[in-house]
Amino acid sequence: GIQVEQSPPDLILQEGANSTLRCNFSDSVNNLQWFHQNPWGQLINLFYIPSGTKQNGRLSATTVATERYSLLYISSSQTTDSGVYFCAVGIFEGGKLIFGQGTELSVKP
Amino acid sequence: DAGVIQSPRHEVTEMGQEVTLRCKPISGHDYLFWYRQTMMRGLELLIYFNNNVPIDDSGMPEDRFSAKMPNASFSTLKIQPSEPRDSAVYFCASSLPGQLTEAFFGQGTRLTVV
Repeated sequence: GIQVEQSPPDLILQEGANSTLRCNFSDSVNNLQWFHQNPWGQLINLFYIPSGTKQNGRLSATTVATERYSLLYISSSQTTDSGVYFCAVGIFEGGKLIFGQGTELSVKP
Repeated sequence: DAGVIQSPRHEVTEMGQEVTLRCKPISGHDYLFWYRQTMMRGLELLIYFNNNVPIDDSGMPEDRFSAKMPNASFSTLKIQPSEPRDSAVYFCASSLPGQLTEAFFGQGTRLTVV
């Protein structure tokens, strides 16, 4: 099956710093999503991005499907950005996702 | 829309008891998915439905687990009998049909079996 690898596994930042999270996947996919799991456990949709680049405020994402990776950029990080960021990919129905192990981000004031 | 709604948010039960988790998908979404999150295995798909019909239950860990979707707006995941190793967060998600669609997750049910 498809393997999804995220890096780094852990990241500690000072408030205001920028960061890049990476997601590599082992096969062609039709679907790719980035999620933020907040400290209360909620999975929040950040981006639906099977290819191309999208931006939403301080966050942006780029997926290069032909090279099988996606990047999530967080600029001017805030303490509320803390949590775990998951990349998930799919090749069949949209919601049938394979998740990476996540990047745990901690933003210090 | 209120999003995917799960209940209860937290459940604590004794080993051997039956547990039923509930999910209401987003209106109009034909696909419903049950995921489980544990420290050891991360987020993994248990089962999913299309138009109320189970399509793939290969992720269901044991026969103690069963899921139903009696109508388009309601699904249950049942564990009988429950065991301590079933302790996890169970998520329900829904999506529109097709490969190029986005999945939306409920807030999850944190299950603790003691």
